[in-house]
Amino acid sequence: LAKTTQPISMDSYEGQEVNITCSHNNIATNDYITWYQQFPSQGPRFIIQGYKTKVTNEVASLFIPADRKSSTLSLPRVSLSDTAVYYCLVSQAGTALIFGKGTTLSVSS
Amino acid sequence: GAVVSQHPSRVICKSGTSVKIECRSLDFQATTMFWYRQFPKQSLMLMATSNEGSKATYEQGVEKDKFLINHASLTLSTLTVTSAHPEDSSFYICSARVGGYNEQFFGPGTRLTVL
Repeated sequence: LAKTTQPISMDSYEGQEVNITCSHNNIATNDYITWYQQFPSQGPRFIIQGYKTKVTNEVASLFIPADRKSSTLSLPRVSLSDTAVYYCLVSQAGTALIFGKGTTLSVSS
Repeated sequence: GAVVSQHPSRVICKSGTSVKIECRSLDFQATTMFWYRQFPKQSLMLMATSNEGSKATYEQGVEKDKFLINHASLTLSTLTVTSAHPEDSSFYICSARVGGYNEQFFGPGTRLTVL
């Protein structure tokens, strides 16, 4: 069973910031939080990974509060090409990734 | 770096035939590879985990005699769907991981259609 809960869908417009929150109430001490993006008929693509506090890379930021029971993926200034399914995953190093339902993000012009 | 390829990208076969799907890590050695299946509008479902040189570990409900997995080298794993039937039609995705690291690198997927 997936260890995470995310909104099923979100809508946004081009240029807006999008924040997708994921709940993982039973996260273990050794678990990392990872976000993937998937376009139709493609394999998932790694976006960002973190353990605590804030992580930022060239495409997104990941905010993790001190209790680590949730995390928020922030996509700055989305474009139409960001329309995809976003998966939040919690796992320990060396174990398989178990996918939940993901969040379908639709970006409109 | 960290590229995973799959071949073929799509395959159509007749019911009762067997189909082999290859998964290769192109620029790194993958100690562990994973196979997932994804039906339309659904999430990825883990089928099995394979470690190089040892037998694959199948998830509950996945028939090991139907979905044969071979991980003969650190850069190649194969999934063979034996005696395929229309209900096996799906999108099959592999991923690979370097030992001890948390990040998994996914292949582009293989679309299997069984007529």
